[in-house]
Amino acid sequence: GAVVSQHPSRVICKSGTSVKIECRSLDFQATTMFWYRQFPKKSLMLMATSNEGSKATYEQGVEKDKFLINHASLTLSTLTVTSAHPEDSSFYICSANPGGGNYGYTFGSGTRLTVV
Amino acid sequence: QKEVEQNSGPLSVPEGAIASLNCTYSDRGSQSFFWYRQYSGKSPELIMSIYSNGDKEDGRFTAQLNKASQYVSLLIRDSQPSDSATYLCAVPKGAGNNRKLIWGLGTSLAVNP
Repeated sequence: GAVVSQHPSRVICKSGTSVKIECRSLDFQATTMFWYRQFPKKSLMLMATSNEGSKATYEQGVEKDKFLINHASLTLSTLTVTSAHPEDSSFYICSANPGGGNYGYTFGSGTRLTVV
Repeated sequence: QKEVEQNSGPLSVPEGAIASLNCTYSDRGSQSFFWYRQYSGKSPELIMSIYSNGDKEDGRFTAQLNKASQYVSLLIRDSQPSDSATYLCAVPKGAGNNRKLIWGLGTSLAVNP
């Protein structure tokens, strides 16, 4: 089946540093990648939608200068958390639709970010 | 009214019983519906999709869709402790092939041995 590979699975960084999260579609071309954040025991929150070759669309309240998204190819999208702070500690997950239309969306395995 | 609503639970059932999970949606034009399972600390996993009114069965899972009532449900037969997770209902919104998903808040299911 369609796979979205997400790395790293877990990262600990110091406050003020930047962290890059990568998502690759392994056996399909992902023209669109969805980036989510999830706090413990909370629901998924869509942060932004990235489209290959164009600027990402951010959801209301999400700082685009803090969460930089790059979707330079049909198989790779990256999320960079810039100048991370402890409140950015969360579970970040990417997702793409391998089939288009009404097919289900595939998720990466997620990245647990801890900012100390 | 929220776009996608689910009972948060927790829903507790004994092992071997049928677990029934419900979801309602507000957009009458919605055409496709997804059920995801999420274990604690893991990302969501697609377990069922349904597009037509009626029932769709896959192993121990049955999805039921009633577009007139704007209602979609998930039945889990012969529930196992490994089914204990949060079940999320999701409905695509908008047009085109890569529409964003609107999520319910999820129902927590506990299957007791």
